[in-house]
Amino acid sequence: QQPVQSPQAVILREGEDAVINCSSSKALYSVHWYRQKHGEAPVFLMILLKGGEQKGHDKISASFNEKKQQSSLYLTASQLSYSGTYFCGTEMSSYDKVIFGPGTSLSVIP
Amino acid sequence: DTGVSQDPRHKITKRGQNVTFRCDPISEHNRLYWYRQTLGQGPEFLTYFQNEAQLEKSRLLSDRFSAERPKGSFSTLEIQRTEQGDSAMYLCASSLVRGNTEAFFGQGTRLTVV
Repeated sequence: QQPVQSPQAVILREGEDAVINCSSSKALYSVHWYRQKHGEAPVFLMILLKGGEQKGHDKISASFNEKKQQSSLYLTASQLSYSGTYFCGTEMSSYDKVIFGPGTSLSVIP
Repeated sequence: DTGVSQDPRHKITKRGQNVTFRCDPISEHNRLYWYRQTLGQGPEFLTYFQNEAQLEKSRLLSDRFSAERPKGSFSTLEIQRTEQGDSAMYLCASSLVRGNTEAFFGQGTRLTVV
């Protein structure tokens, strides 16, 4: 039931864009996105509920395609502070637990 | 409220010993999760509570692991007869069950079994 993430790792120069994908073999109720920096706890970015919505704040946004059981996280005009590991977490229902994917390591270099 | 707190932050124990970790969630949060994370991996689900009720325990979790949440407030995770494979970061998270809200993570307890 663990979601699949791609790519495993990505290296960007400052100002470049990136897309991180998350997919599940099961129907999803919601997708959560978190970022974790080395040695720190995961920090919540956003949650998307079924309905195909798109959310975003600042230069980070995400979409959720319920029919394809996929979500994508978009990082535009990347900054050095975006570096870290990004995890998607999925729920099958509103009362289910959150299961996390293996993560995507993002490195932004000057 | 200062967020989710976990204690201790680090624990080194000898193989075969029992260890207990504590998590204090954000006060109004009724859902509490325990996850385990090893280097380079995502948080692995262990168990979760809604108030004092344990809703699910991972089938991958051996009987050496037990968790409680008396009175629906703080929670403890106990590992009996620790093994070297138990070495990991143990993360606690809490959230509200109300139309799906984000989970807030604690800083974790790093367990090293020697």
